[in-house]
Amino acid sequence: DGGITQSPKYLFRKEGQNVTLSCEQNLNHDAMYWYRQDPGQGLRLIYYSQIVNDFQKGDIAEGYSVSREKKESFPLTVTSAQKNPTAFYLCASSTADSYSYEQYFGPGTRLTVT
Amino acid sequence: AQRVTQPEKLLSVFKGAPVELKCNYSYSGSPELFWYVQYSRQRLQLLLRHISRESIKGFTADLNKGETSFHLKKPFAQEEDSAMYYCALSAQNSGYSTLTFGKGTMLLVSP
Repeated sequence: DGGITQSPKYLFRKEGQNVTLSCEQNLNHDAMYWYRQDPGQGLRLIYYSQIVNDFQKGDIAEGYSVSREKKESFPLTVTSAQKNPTAFYLCASSTADSYSYEQYFGPGTRLTVT
Repeated sequence: AQRVTQPEKLLSVFKGAPVELKCNYSYSGSPELFWYVQYSRQRLQLLLRHISRESIKGFTADLNKGETSFHLKKPFAQEEDSAMYYCALSAQNSGYSTLTFGKGTMLLVSP
């Protein structure tokens, strides 16, 4: 089954703990993205990566970190510095060779921090 | 910086009624605009893009650069159109392309 997978679907953590969300794609896409989706806020870009070993901060990168060691994988770590980490997190990927590209989204991970 | 505004959080219509979901943008460059849709318990997916000038599931959207708008329209709404709709703008930032999303409009089509 091709596409983007995110795991786990639900994640619960105690305040003060770092947590890593997984995102894998087998679409051979160069670009990958992490968004945060909150009710009434739409999607906000956290980090994005156009090629392996390179990534850029999005609009709300504070308290998050990423790595891009493989083309297929783009894990997101929510650190204890993130003030309001409870949210729905979406990963996406796209080709990076066109200005008018389509982003393909994963099913999302709902993180709850108490 | 670019911005996408969807003024309606919720739009409720009856089946068969016309639908118009509003989207306005601000961007200093040449915009590329998209509508994404998220049906209940499904992934967010592309509905249509302005450059294709296509009709998908009966929906159309025309880019109006004078009014900086990209409203999504359908002449006769169906119950299966009920979903969350996001307008998005593709912009170049330091050589990279990213999408800026609006806050979304929930469309509810009642029988």
